[in-house]
Amino acid sequence: NAGVTQTPKFQVLKTGQSMTLQCAQDMNHEYMSWYRQDPGMGLRLIHYSVGAGITDQGEVPNGYNVSRSTTEDFPLRLLSAAPSQTSVYFCASSPGTSGANVLTFGAGSRLTVL
Amino acid sequence: KNQVEQSPQSLIILEGKNCTLQCNYTVSPFSNLRWYKQDTGRGPVSLTIMTFSENTKSNGRYTATLDADTKQSSLHITASQLSDSASYICVVSARTGANNLFFGTGTRLTVIP
Repeated sequence: NAGVTQTPKFQVLKTGQSMTLQCAQDMNHEYMSWYRQDPGMGLRLIHYSVGAGITDQGEVPNGYNVSRSTTEDFPLRLLSAAPSQTSVYFCASSPGTSGANVLTFGAGSRLTVL
Repeated sequence: KNQVEQSPQSLIILEGKNCTLQCNYTVSPFSNLRWYKQDTGRGPVSLTIMTFSENTKSNGRYTATLDADTKQSSLHITASQLSDSASYICVVSARTGANNLFFGTGTRLTVIP
């Protein structure tokens, strides 16, 4: 099993550009989520999904869109990039939403917006 | 308000020494507490999970404790190795809701030879 795969690993954008961060998992996990990690602020939830066709907003959803058309894939779309979106983004998945389920994280995608 | 606070923010220790990281939380209703290790440039990886009824749990040189009454947890690392250099993140889960995870900001540990 590859686990959680994120692409790209690094990306530089100009303000106003759009892009999609890809996330795929091969563990048949129902729950998938996107976090951003900024220095001194820890991981903050952007969007999450409890199953195919179901998505919901997390703590910091503004400027981001998601969709979950399959169990495996959960892409994160930046609609019009802003310098405030410069961050490291992590995708994570788990079998369900119970707190007993461990999150499996991807390796991260470092985004810089100029 | 559900919060998780970790201390210290950063720590430098000599190889072979022990250290203890702290996590205080106000999450309610409490479900469990996990410690994650995050190596530089990688995603976090779970080290251990503590439920309400557990006081101590070990994973090799890592020992986690939980005091559910005072809402405190600690992660003790014994005989530190250079490979222990990483950020350690405390994550507390509430028993309600799908958006039920609360993250600490982490402790950055550096082990020097």
